[in-house]
Amino acid sequence: DTEVTQTPKHLVMGMTNKKSLKCEQHMGHRAMYWYKQKAKKPPELMFVYSYEKLSINESVPSRFSPECPNSSLLNLHLHALQPEDSALYLCASSPHPTTGTDTQYFGPGTRLTVL
Amino acid sequence: SQQGEEDPQALSIQEGENATMNCSYKTSINNLQWYRQNSGRGLVHLILIRSNEREKHSGRLRVTLDTSKKSSSLLITASRAADTASYFCATENTNAGKSTFGDGTTLTVKP
Repeated sequence: DTEVTQTPKHLVMGMTNKKSLKCEQHMGHRAMYWYKQKAKKPPELMFVYSYEKLSINESVPSRFSPECPNSSLLNLHLHALQPEDSALYLCASSPHPTTGTDTQYFGPGTRLTVL
Repeated sequence: SQQGEEDPQALSIQEGENATMNCSYKTSINNLQWYRQNSGRGLVHLILIRSNEREKHSGRLRVTLDTSKKSSSLLITASRAADTASYFCATENTNAGKSTFGDGTTLTVKP
């Protein structure tokens, strides 16, 4: 299994809703990432987990809450989002945290719309 | 300003022609990678070049890296309509432990 899966594919939520995005990989990778991507822009790093511990938080607002329950799963919990948070949310994984030679494997993304 | 700036922003060519995209960056890097993204989809890794390498090939792709100029180029030879996508460079900075993506080049290959 050489892929990263993300669910759901699409999500529409109101500003008062609580929802979660899920990411899964079974490649034995020990680094996992959340990115946010707006239309016609590059992916922007949000969080990095290394060996299931949060290692990088790029000053993301607290309405985004990441969780790494085990080495294969990564969640992003969403609460009280704003319309400007609408974007494609990409999950990625790589074999070894910060070795300088790692390729990141991306999931297909969750298209989030906040009304 | 942002690490990893690419030019051109958009490139439109005929099938069979070569496409060249450039990436410039500002700080020291461990490696530079090129990714491809079809519209609204995840990114697919194309090629990685380490800071001590100057050129790398993979199929129809050729990547060069000039650390003195802090720049890289991606050449796609004999382009096909299926190469239509956005292409991003990503630099892994020394001491940063993360990659930063460039603004990307949108390539359109007309059949």
